[in-house]
Amino acid sequence: GAGVSQSPSNKVTEKGKDVELRCDPISGHTALYWYRQRLGQGLEFLIYFQGNSAPDKSGLPSDRFSAERTGESVSTLTIQRTQQEDSAVYLCASSLFKSGELFFGEGSRLTVL
Amino acid sequence: AQSVTQLDSQVPVFEEAPVELRCNYSSSVSVYLFWYVQYPNQGLQLLLKYLSGSTLVKGINGFEAEFNKSQTSFHLRKPSVHISDTAEYFCAVSDHGKGAQKLVFGQGTRLTINP
Repeated sequence: GAGVSQSPSNKVTEKGKDVELRCDPISGHTALYWYRQRLGQGLEFLIYFQGNSAPDKSGLPSDRFSAERTGESVSTLTIQRTQQEDSAVYLCASSLFKSGELFFGEGSRLTVL
Repeated sequence: AQSVTQLDSQVPVFEEAPVELRCNYSSSVSVYLFWYVQYPNQGLQLLLKYLSGSTLVKGINGFEAEFNKSQTSFHLRKPSVHISDTAEYFCAVSDHGKGAQKLVFGQGTRLTINP
């Protein structure tokens, strides 16, 4: 497809389990972002990848959160030992370098019971 | 650190009435400014952006925004709204020096259009 693709669209898990969320950016977009959107709140920056540069991890809330990106393609966001406060929609976006226009996926809704 | 404040969490408006969604930012450096829109059950999409030049920026669907540096504001306006404008609107800011990379978003304003 032409847009940013995220999977799964919905994930329900039990507290303490690990989850992996996947993002397929738009082909040719060198920048990739992960944001978190809790119910009724704004977007919270998590991590930013740009080409082969070291990622900006300044938004990751704890060491239970990690993300990887393979070259300029797929990224996975991993949450270990999930907690109920991790419940949110996790949004991925990609862009051309420095364009300022982020293209968002439809998000992965995570519910931790 | 940058921050964005959207002063209204919800704005109800009648169809064909004008609307203004307010956004203020705090930053000690030059900035890029954005408005994104999230229609029900859809992903976010760019409505308009200010990078440089004219302080009045026009976007899609008849929306416009004005950058006011002295007031550190970037309010979004539309002279006549339609039912289809019902959505959540997010204001965002990025450091000019970072080249419009890491965007900081506001809390969002839910615009509801009543017939």
